[in-house]
Amino acid sequence: GESVGLHLPTLSVQEGDNSIINCAYSNSASDYFIWYKQESGKGPQFIIDIRSNMDKRQGQRVTVLLNKTVKHLSLQIAATQPGDSAVYFCAENIPGNQFYFGTGTSLTVIP
Amino acid sequence: DTAVSQTPKYLVTQMGNDKSIKCEQNLGHDTMYWYKQDSKKFLKIMFSYNNKELIINETVPNRFSPKSPDKAHLNLHINSLELGDSAVYFCASSLRHGDTEAFFGQGTRLTVV
Repeated sequence: GESVGLHLPTLSVQEGDNSIINCAYSNSASDYFIWYKQESGKGPQFIIDIRSNMDKRQGQRVTVLLNKTVKHLSLQIAATQPGDSAVYFCAENIPGNQFYFGTGTSLTVIP
Repeated sequence: DTAVSQTPKYLVTQMGNDKSIKCEQNLGHDTMYWYKQDSKKFLKIMFSYNNKELIINETVPNRFSPKSPDKAHLNLHINSLELGDSAVYFCASSLRHGDTEAFFGQGTRLTVV
């Protein structure tokens, strides 16, 4: 069942600022956590994942932080651009099963 | 070339009808999925197929029946449509079952009236 949640349903940031999108999870057995981006009218698109034995992973302009102590995951986007406006989903992958998405956070970038 | 394509993009139909949504992937992936996204953007997996075999069936009414004629296709047939079936349905694929990176189609917006 659904066990992934997000703290904020909407987030507005000024272009050029950094964005932080938060996510809480509940299943300690999850082995991967994943972030997806969904632009309006399109399907979700993979951004980055992080294995449960890591606490930080960096990609291009994005950083994912994992805090297993408090079961918290965040996605940081550096120098946010208008093209970053989208709904962002975190998901957790349970071994032997399939990953489960949260409801999503809508990010709006203000020019 | 579209990696994961689903048809139709929009589908409006009356309650009680039967309809199908088709999905094809040209990525050579072994695993395909159907997801349902409701009006609040909640994205929930419905089915997962690996090499034409059903892997996951997530508490979906048996009015929904997936069919995978080959590993590049996963179609979704829905019988006796209900108002609550209105949603956007996404097909996706991944190289292997359990991969974190899945490739999604553009979605099919189903409206039941």
